Amino acid sequence: GDSVTQMEGPVTLSEEAFLTINCTYTATGYPSLFWYVQYPGEGLQLLLKATKADDKGSNKGFEATYRKETTSFHLEKGSVQVSDSAVYFCALSDRANFGNEKLTFGTGTRLTIIP
Amino acid sequence: DGGITQSPKYLFRKEGQNVTLSCEQNLNHDAMYWYRQDPGQGLRLIYYSQIVNDFQKGDIAEGYSVSREKKESFPLTVTSAQKNPTAFYLCASSKASEIYSNQPQHFGDGTRLSIL
Repeated sequence: GDSVTQMEGPVTLSEEAFLTINCTYTATGYPSLFWYVQYPGEGLQLLLKATKADDKGSNKGFEATYRKETTSFHLEKGSVQVSDSAVYFCALSDRANFGNEKLTFGTGTRLTIIP
Repeated sequence: DGGITQSPKYLFRKEGQNVTLSCEQNLNHDAMYWYRQDPGQGLRLIYYSQIVNDFQKGDIAEGYSVSREKKESFPLTVTSAQKNPTAFYLCASSKASEIYSNQPQHFGDGTRLSIL
């Protein structure tokens, strides 16, 4: 079945540091890939997405590239801010299910940025 | 503004009681979902519904029930059969499904359920 494996946290960085959160996946079909962010006490917000191989999703300075050859979708940001402190979830939606938009989530990575 | 409203934000249940969590959306989305979030386990799908009056079990449906009588509403009942109900519950919705769909899901702010 489908699965998503995320870098275990927590991750603590200083402000302006470079961020990478690793995400790899297994899927039976042709998945779309997503990164969601969850701020304390809130639901999940879509951060970025990619729908096919070599697509790059980007938003708010974050980027992730869909790498089919390595089945990866690593999240990166060049210079993190305190406001980026949150839990980040990698997820996939496997289009082999033909319209079934069930998302499979990773376990989440808690990121804390220190001023 | 369109969005998903979950209520209440905090809910307490006594042992043996059923409780119902509300989820309403005004995004005109066809599909709705319920997830459970436990520390260190990510999100797990409880139930989902792609159209009114139809729903399917997710990965952890035991001890839960849902209804979808209106497009806008997808309430979740946590029954007394759910032995470990303490968790954070998230409702989500998305546009109509299509082959090769890439529609993201939109989430509410969640309901935290605790057992007294």
